[in-house]
Amino acid sequence: DAGVIQSPRHEVTEMGQEVTLRCKPISGHDYLFWYRQTMMRGLELLIYFNNNVPIDDSGMPEDRFSAKMPNASFSTLKIQPSEPRDSAVYFCASSRLVAGNTIYFGEGSWLTVV
Amino acid sequence: KNQVEQSPQSLIILEGKNCTLQCNYTVSPFSNLRWYKQDTGRGPVSLTIMTFSENTKSNGRYTATLDADTKQSSLHITASQLSDSASYICVVSSSNDYKLSFGAGTTVTVRA
Repeated sequence: DAGVIQSPRHEVTEMGQEVTLRCKPISGHDYLFWYRQTMMRGLELLIYFNNNVPIDDSGMPEDRFSAKMPNASFSTLKIQPSEPRDSAVYFCASSRLVAGNTIYFGEGSWLTVV
Repeated sequence: KNQVEQSPQSLIILEGKNCTLQCNYTVSPFSNLRWYKQDTGRGPVSLTIMTFSENTKSNGRYTATLDADTKQSSLHITASQLSDSASYICVVSSSNDYKLSFGAGTTVTVRA
């Protein structure tokens, strides 16, 4: 299996622009997670889906952030408008079941907002 | 509040030596504890997963221990290699929900 696939790997954008991060989970996994990682705060859960349905989005920092999962093989995380403090690495991860099962992370999308 | 504390924050060891990383948590109720390895510029990769009833689990040269009574875990790296240089993250899952509590990680540098 190719693992969790994220795109883009790197993005530099200007403040105020819209950013869309994409994720393809491992086939057959029914949980999908979006995380953000910064030096100051480490890894933080933003939102997770079960069977394409958002279950908990309490980690989404502001209304500027939104996530969708239109089908089992694709999810997006959108930031509009972007701000410099959104600069971070955004990870997508997937799992067949959370409890006791391995959660597989993608390689991350490195976002820099200038 | 569920918390995961890791120590040390960073360490440097010589190739071939052993080292032990610590993880203390206050997550309750407890479901499982995971150790992840994260190479620079890469996503975290799972090393071990332990449930309440498991005291130790190995993955090659990595051995994790869990004391659910004292809420402590350790990750022991045996005969370290240069490729072990990475950040090691302790992650604890509560059986109440599917949110994971992440430690800040321990950065290990192995030198030749």
